[in-house]
Amino acid sequence: NAGVTQTPKFQVLKTGQSMTLQCAQDMNHEYMSWYRQDPGMGLRLIHYSVGAGITDQGEVPNGYNVSRSTTEDFPLRLLSAAPSQTSVYFCASSYASGTGFWNTEAFFGQGTRLTVV
Amino acid sequence: GQQVMQIPQYQHVQEGEDFTTYCNSSTTLSNIQWYKQRPGGHPVFLIQLVKSGEVKKQKRLTFQFGEAKKNSSLHITATQTTDVGTYFCAGRLTGGGNKLTFGTGTQLKVEL
Repeated sequence: NAGVTQTPKFQVLKTGQSMTLQCAQDMNHEYMSWYRQDPGMGLRLIHYSVGAGITDQGEVPNGYNVSRSTTEDFPLRLLSAAPSQTSVYFCASSYASGTGFWNTEAFFGQGTRLTVV
Repeated sequence: GQQVMQIPQYQHVQEGEDFTTYCNSSTTLSNIQWYKQRPGGHPVFLIQLVKSGEVKKQKRLTFQFGEAKKNSSLHITATQTTDVGTYFCAGRLTGGGNKLTFGTGTQLKVEL
């Protein structure tokens, strides 16, 4: 079972370039999310989705777009990369319990380390 | 600003010493989850607590959820080098919808 797969693992971008971070899960989880990890700030939610066709903003959505056309995939697009977006990005997925998605285990991908120069 | 804070940010211990990280939220939490991230790795789920005052144990790890459901702690007894990593708490803030808010994390280093 692959779980949550993120590509690429490493990426260097120039300021102003755009790119898409890929995330795929094979556990049929309805809930998927993107976090960025920066030293001393923990994991901050960028965008999340509760199912195909439904997305919503997290804490730090500016400069990022998402879409969810299938249950399996949840790509994150950087529209015009800035040095402030240098970070480690994690995709996560989870299944729904009776009361929502927040009280079940989140499964994380291996992460994408992005540097914007 | 950051709504879920963890202290300390860093902790160095000698192998065999105990370790505690504290998680404090500005608002009440519906639940608290704990994750461990090994150096260079990704967060891995450890446990979830949902009841006020709940205490759970996993071998040398003891997890507590505060009575007011605004704080939590993770205590490791007799640390080992395998405990090295960053520990995160996470929970749903009251009124937070389907979002899980993570704490700032505590990085643990264990020296022989």
